[in-house]
Amino acid sequence: TQLLEQSPQFLSIQEGENLTVYCNSSSVFSSLQWYRQEPGEGPVLLVTVVTGGEVKKLKRLTFQFGDARKDSSLHITAAQPGDTGLYLCAGEEGPSFGNEKLTFGTGTRLTIIP
Amino acid sequence: ETGVTQTPRHLVMGMTNKKSLKCEQHLGHNAMYWYKQSAKKPLELMFVYSLEERVENNSVPSRFSPECPNSSHLFLHLHTLQPEDSALYLCASSQEFPSANYGYTFGSGTRLTVV
Repeated sequence: TQLLEQSPQFLSIQEGENLTVYCNSSSVFSSLQWYRQEPGEGPVLLVTVVTGGEVKKLKRLTFQFGDARKDSSLHITAAQPGDTGLYLCAGEEGPSFGNEKLTFGTGTRLTIIP
Repeated sequence: ETGVTQTPRHLVMGMTNKKSLKCEQHLGHNAMYWYKQSAKKPLELMFVYSLEERVENNSVPSRFSPECPNSSHLFLHLHTLQPEDSALYLCASSQEFPSANYGYTFGSGTRLTVV
């Protein structure tokens, strides 16, 4: 089973600042997903990345998959209080996309201060 | 109603009680999951059902007993729990198992406190 380490564990920044959080493993993922979990709710899927080096943008959020498919980052530009939540990465174990269950990372708890 | 619905949202139970958590999905998905979320730990997969058949049971104590009567409903029956079982229990569904192509859809969870 792959171990997905996320960093930092906690991050608290002012509204309007930029930030990056990371998801790392020593193993290769066939795909990786990012979820956001708001207080009192379940995680919600933000994006799936499949190809090494892939970059996807979702408004102010930019997701990147490492070339070797062992790591991923999430960059938020001009953070807003609505971005507050627990950010989880989840990797698909195994060599081929779409054939394996997900393993979840340890999470980054993000707080945006108004 | 759409998505994944979990009831109750909050549950406090004594160690000798028996209770059940309910999950319902209206997405037409074929796979359903129970996860345990504790502070400072990654999401822990407990059980997986695919087309109403249990396909995964990750060394979960027998005091947790799942039931999947049809592809839309999933239960987690609880009895003689321990205080360390206090956590957020999340239900999720996906189109298929094990494929994670389209991600998992989670419910809002049941916050369980064992006293």
